[in-house]
Amino acid sequence: DTAVSQTPKYLVTQMGNDKSIKCEQNLGHDTMYWYKQDSKKFLKIMFSYNNKELIINETVPNRFSPKSPDKAHLNLHINSLELGDSAVYFCASSQDEDGYTFGSGTRLTVV
Amino acid sequence: AQRVTQPEKLLSVFKGAPVELKCNYSYSGSPELFWYVQYSRQRLQLLLRHISRESIKGFTADLNKGETSFHLKKPFAQEEDSAMYYCALSGWGFQKLVFGTGTRLLVSP
Repeated sequence: DTAVSQTPKYLVTQMGNDKSIKCEQNLGHDTMYWYKQDSKKFLKIMFSYNNKELIINETVPNRFSPKSPDKAHLNLHINSLELGDSAVYFCASSQDEDGYTFGSGTRLTVV
Repeated sequence: AQRVTQPEKLLSVFKGAPVELKCNYSYSGSPELFWYVQYSRQRLQLLLRHISRESIKGFTADLNKGETSFHLKKPFAQEEDSAMYYCALSGWGFQKLVFGTGTRLLVSP
């Protein structure tokens, strides 16, 4: 009964590959997010969707593309992976003024 | 296993009153602790981290390893402090953050 689940939890892949990280929430929240945890453990927002509509699109390489097939899912596709993409990626969801519910994070390692 | 507990979902105080948002953690190693804040309809932002030992916007937090706590304090709350506050824990090195469930601070005039 995990509220926000991300898969996979760990992903090791080679440079140049294309990969996806999936996120699903069963809370009925309207808004979902992707955040990136950098090496200093700062969280930086990447994307936010509200009811399948993109509302925040930060300056990230266009190799990163979010896809929201329905409001319970927000997947992150990354094309042509680079070494610098190695990080932890967090999915989260929220509803109105309520706080975030975070996924457990996906650690991506590009070799 | 790493765990962060924020026992209060909502903390309501009057302007000028002292504030303490509680955070307890469970971690077998040596932790890094953080406080993140989300103001209304804004993105999450880092408020402070214990290794910096700095005071941001009047907030301070001291890591108490004996009590496994990292409570966030401010002597005199302001209305603009109203926000969601998240405590987060990580191991040293490149480890994932683990978040608490958050505490909403409401400061009334």
